[in-house]
Amino acid sequence: SQTIHQWPATLVQPVGSPLSLECTVEGTSNPNLYWYRQAAGRGLQLLFYSIGIDQISSEVPQNLSASRPQDRQFILSSKKLLLSDSGFYLCAWSGLVLFDEQYFGPGTRLTVT
Amino acid sequence: QQQVKQSPQSLIVQKGGISIINCAYENTAFDYFPWYQQFPGKGPALLIAIRPDVSEKKEGRFTISFNKSAKQFSLHIMDSQPGDSATYFCAASRLGSARQLTFGSGTQLTVLP
Repeated sequence: SQTIHQWPATLVQPVGSPLSLECTVEGTSNPNLYWYRQAAGRGLQLLFYSIGIDQISSEVPQNLSASRPQDRQFILSSKKLLLSDSGFYLCAWSGLVLFDEQYFGPGTRLTVT
Repeated sequence: QQQVKQSPQSLIVQKGGISIINCAYENTAFDYFPWYQQFPGKGPALLIAIRPDVSEKKEGRFTISFNKSAKQFSLHIMDSQPGDSATYFCAASRLGSARQLTFGSGTQLTVLP
């Protein structure tokens, strides 16, 4: 069965510090991968998606970036965090067969202080 | 054009009652409509989904009703239980390279015992 992992689970970082969040998927090959951000009490905003290694599309221009160095690894990064980057970051995957269905990871709670 | 509008923002239902959450969309290119359930501090979980070629889909106590002409769809939770208390998100996507989901703003459901 497929499993999606995210780490760290929680993170507190000062303004201006760098960021690296990691997401990995097990049990599937060539998944589509997604990064979403969820502000407190709000819906989910798609940040980036990837259909393959080194193929990244950005939905919202901001100081975040994403990379996919391996087939089942998706990384969200920032060189300098802003207060507005605080939120709940969710990684999701979808498969080649049931490509409509997206499955989410457990999320990373980021607080920028 | 890409928005999905969800209502109500919050809903309180007695145990055993019917919970109804509504969503409306504008983009007629959308052709996949999932609902997600999210518990506090967790990632959203895919609950049920529908395509425009059917007007209703039922899985256990959960039913999606779809009205293509009105561009609306709704989630009905029959015999609501306290364990159903969570935030529910509707979403929509269209055929594309990665099936990006556009989410509604969420409905916080509380089922009273």
